[in-house]
Amino acid sequence: SQTIHQWPATLVQPVGSPLSLECTVEGTSNPNLYWYRQAAGRGLQLLFYSVGIGQISSEVPQNLSASRPQDRQFILSSKKLLLSDSGFYLCAWSVTGSLGEKLFFGSGTQLSVL
Amino acid sequence: GEDVEQSLFLSVREGDSSVINCTYTDSSSTYLYWYKQEPGAGLQLLTYIFSNMDMKQDQRLTVLLNKKDKHLSLRIADTQTGDSAIYFCAALMPGGYNKLIFGAGTRLAVHP
Repeated sequence: SQTIHQWPATLVQPVGSPLSLECTVEGTSNPNLYWYRQAAGRGLQLLFYSVGIGQISSEVPQNLSASRPQDRQFILSSKKLLLSDSGFYLCAWSVTGSLGEKLFFGSGTQLSVL
Repeated sequence: GEDVEQSLFLSVREGDSSVINCTYTDSSSTYLYWYKQEPGAGLQLLTYIFSNMDMKQDQRLTVLLNKKDKHLSLRIADTQTGDSAIYFCAALMPGGYNKLIFGAGTRLAVHP
């Protein structure tokens, strides 16, 4: 069966510090991968998606970047965090080419920038 | 672009039915989904419905789709305290890649 791992679960970082959140998927190959952010009291905002190694698309301009160095690894980064980067970050995967795109989510990372 | 809207809060008594509503704007949405998020956790796919269906039932869950009005609802029968969570509606937008647009989520509180 497929599983998705996301870490760390919680993170407290000072403004201006770098960020690296990692997500890995097991049990499937060539998944679509996504990073979402959930701000308090708001819905999920799609930040990045990837359909393959090295292929990253950004949905919104921001202080963050994403990379996919391996087929089942997705990394969310920042060189210098802003206060507005605080939120709950969710990684997700879906199967390429499936009818209907069912997303499966990781357990999330609560990021607090102070 | 697509917009998905939900009411933010619903309170029900244990044993009653809960109905969570959602509206979306783009009629080309092919699939519509309901996800459940428990505190501090990721989202769990509950159910989904294809746009050519009117209803889908899965145990205590019933999804109704009114495509003309672009209205989706999730009914939870015999609501239990374990159903307390945030429920997200999402619409699939066809295109270069399959993109899900999420609503802001409805917080369901179940009280005795």
